[in-house]
Amino acid sequence: QKEVEQDPGPLSVPEGAIVSLNCTYSNSAFQYFMWYRQYSRKGPELLMYTYSSGNKEDGRFTAQVDKSSKYISLFIRDSQPSDSATYLCAMLRGSQGNLIFGKGTKLSVKP
Amino acid sequence: ETGVTQTPRHLVMGMTNKKSLKCEQHLGHNAMYWYKQSAKKPLELMFVYSLEERVENNSVPSRFSPECPNSSHLFLHLHTLQPEDSALYLCASSQEVRVANYGYTFGSGTRLTVV
Repeated sequence: QKEVEQDPGPLSVPEGAIVSLNCTYSNSAFQYFMWYRQYSRKGPELLMYTYSSGNKEDGRFTAQVDKSSKYISLFIRDSQPSDSATYLCAMLRGSQGNLIFGKGTKLSVKP
Repeated sequence: ETGVTQTPRHLVMGMTNKKSLKCEQHLGHNAMYWYKQSAKKPLELMFVYSLEERVENNSVPSRFSPECPNSSHLFLHLHTLQPEDSALYLCASSQEVRVANYGYTFGSGTRLTVV
């Protein structure tokens, strides 16, 4: 079983839709959870960062962690064409360690 | 210049060539990383440097040779590569090694094609 599972998509939604992106993981030692956004021909950039379980909101973006289910989500409200990118989840076992990435989900928001 | 800069953006090389990828960070970070990104695969960590000292080599073939002359510059020297080495090579930096609280800052990558 892979440490981090993420459906690569692609996922296509109309503008204004609510988008849900998800990752599952197998190692219960993961404590730090991140979402990176990667535009075409660019490197990943940190979008959201959460520690342990719970929700974190930043504008149209909400990151959710459910440690009991080993499941993390990123919600995008009122999606815009500029949100079209690949979204990668990443996790860390402790405050120090190597980031473990998912494969990334390619999102396309159609005008 | 700000952030992490990688050159060249694109590189096509034959299997017998020798080339180098360059990364430069202007953030005052102490740690730098090389990642390989292939289609439909997670990012693969290749090398980790902390203050010019290599702290991790993730079972990378010897045809990839990293060099970190100072905390701002990182190179990846390539020789006798295979077609399966074609990928996007990403450089990243962080304030301290393996501490991801503030995230890693990635460059735009070098798209490598081995023919």
